Amino acid sequence: GAGVSQSPSNKVTEKGKDVELRCDPISGHTALYWYRQSLGQGLEFLIYFQGNSAPDKSGLPSDRFSAERTGGSVSTLTIQRTQQEDSAVYLCASSLGAGVRYEQYFGPGTRLTVT
Amino acid sequence: AQRVTQPEKLLSVFKGAPVELKCNYSYSGSPELFWYVQYSRQRLQLLLRHISRESIKGFTADLNKGETSFHLKKPFAQEEDSAMYYCALRNAGNMLTFGGGTRLMVKP
Repeated sequence: GAGVSQSPSNKVTEKGKDVELRCDPISGHTALYWYRQSLGQGLEFLIYFQGNSAPDKSGLPSDRFSAERTGGSVSTLTIQRTQQEDSAVYLCASSLGAGVRYEQYFGPGTRLTVT
Repeated sequence: AQRVTQPEKLLSVFKGAPVELKCNYSYSGSPELFWYVQYSRQRLQLLLRHISRESIKGFTADLNKGETSFHLKKPFAQEEDSAMYYCALRNAGNMLTFGGGTRLMVKP
């Protein structure tokens, strides 16, 4: 079946503009995660959605970052007033459930470049 | 606070040589550890997890709680093993904390 998909694959934006990144998880997966992969920071957790529970936002680096998940499926990560340090690859992952026995499947990522 | 450390950013070995990618962690609870791999132009994928005690593509990793390590090993490296390898720890909240990654280059 189809894996996790993300769009766009590449996004170039000017400093100060807002961007939206989209993630389509694997159908039926209740858990969805956002991570960021950057040169200076490696791979870091941003936010986690599980079913209808309140999301775990503990990894969001600032209040310019927000995410929502509509209908328990598609998720959008929004970055407001982008800064150059936001340049990174944003990865989305989904899993069938919560807990260690549920593998997280990663999408191809969105490469964001802030000029 | 939890932390995962991969001390080597780059590891270069010849084909057929043994390889060990180091991973150390700090975590106050009972750790759940994983190795992820990212081949060139492919997405990040799970390689193995410590609870399965499995061997995948000839790789094994043993959790050593005394040394707080989860090193990845393979007795005979192959060129197709060249990739970026990430050690990760999963906390009670289900999110993964990743190490900085080690790029493995297997030379012919």
